[in-house]
Amino acid sequence: DSGVTQTPKHLITATGQRVTLRCSPRSGDLSVYWYQQSLDQGLQFLIHYYNGEERAKGNILERFSAQQFPDLHSELNLSSLELGDSALYFCASSVGGGNGYTFGSGTRLTVV
Amino acid sequence: GQSLEQPSEVTAVEGAIVQINCTYQTSGFYGLSWYQQHDGGAPTFLSYNALDGLEETGRFSSFLSRSDSYGYLLLQELQMKDSASYFCALSGGFKTIFGAGTRLFVKA
Repeated sequence: DSGVTQTPKHLITATGQRVTLRCSPRSGDLSVYWYQQSLDQGLQFLIHYYNGEERAKGNILERFSAQQFPDLHSELNLSSLELGDSALYFCASSVGGGNGYTFGSGTRLTVV
Repeated sequence: GQSLEQPSEVTAVEGAIVQINCTYQTSGFYGLSWYQQHDGGAPTFLSYNALDGLEETGRFSSFLSRSDSYGYLLLQELQMKDSASYFCALSGGFKTIFGAGTRLFVKA
């Protein structure tokens, strides 16, 4: 157990639907990062939150949004889902800064 | 922008030494990291180079040369369990960008 908790582990939904992925960072970590990993692909950076504030954005689609709450957990909202959104979505946390991220076990999203 | 290149696949024999190279293009960054990911698993942090030179952690070592925009991960005394994907990653600007990954196959 890495200390980063992601729920749900698996999600199957239909095109056009909206889902919410949840992440609880490791105790003491203020930063939360979201990544998307498609089949046999690298990790695509989506967004970074630090202590409730957005710090950096990657190639995140306008259909996707995220937030970090006062208790530091984060949610990634994916709407108007398309088949191409099927992927593993990882959350990672760190105390701050860029080295040594701790990743959660991921949420596998399947859009049918 | 930032980009990283690493070989897509490397094959080595159990007990051997293997080096996974990573070249990058960036306008500025804090450091180069390496992560390991087994099939179906989450990436796990291996090492971080903020400065030029070699960092050693057990069987794994990582090297960075900023002047050459180049780094590598060295795995010694390879074990079957080392079969996994390895990612180099650049950290800077409140984010970490990952390379596409190198799949390492360790043969008996």
